[in-house]
Amino acid sequence: AQSVTQLGSHVSVSEGALVLLRCNYSSSVPPYLFWYVQYPNQGLQLLLKYTSAATLVKGINGFEAEFKKSETSFHLTKPSAHMSDAAEYFCAVRYTGFQKLVFGTGTRLLVSP
Amino acid sequence: DAMVIQNPRYQVTQFGKPVTLSCSQTLNHNVMYWYQQKSSQAPKLLFHYYDKDFNNEADTPDNFQSRRPNTSFCFLDIRSPGLGDAAMYLCATSLRGDEQFFGPGTRLTVL
Repeated sequence: AQSVTQLGSHVSVSEGALVLLRCNYSSSVPPYLFWYVQYPNQGLQLLLKYTSAATLVKGINGFEAEFKKSETSFHLTKPSAHMSDAAEYFCAVRYTGFQKLVFGTGTRLLVSP
Repeated sequence: DAMVIQNPRYQVTQFGKPVTLSCSQTLNHNVMYWYQQKSSQAPKLLFHYYDKDFNNEADTPDNFQSRRPNTSFCFLDIRSPGLGDAAMYLCATSLRGDEQFFGPGTRLTVL
């Protein structure tokens, strides 16, 4: 079955620290992978996407993610957290031939001063 | 700017009173989606239109209906809202199923 696992429902970091949000997918065929961010009472905004062009994907707001086929992972990182990064982050996958996304359960990022 | 617009942003209805949520887009995307999102949960797909073809998720209650009169507009109708239908409703669009662009959502409260 298609699934996405986000390890850690909450991640807390200090401002300026490294951000690492984990995402693993289940598939023998690399899917299309996405990271979305959601601020309170807003819709989802696309941070970045992997579509097989490059394994290291750079997105908006200084975020990037690396696709590792051997680990079936697509972890999201940012070298230095900012207070404005506090939000909910969703990893999602889309499998070839399907128009639907499969979302992970989300990770809430908390940033302390 | 090309975008996905949802109206209203906040909707209050009474238990059992039909309600309609609206979504419009200026992206000219052929696929439109409706999601339900409850607090601290991932969005849950209710249904989507691929062009004019309606695709209902197997676990979407019959209480939820949708209409897409043209490429730009899509509506979500809740025929008899219950307390459990209180949620954020998100509309999204995509071009042939590629990355999805989300609207700001409509927060539905059921009294």
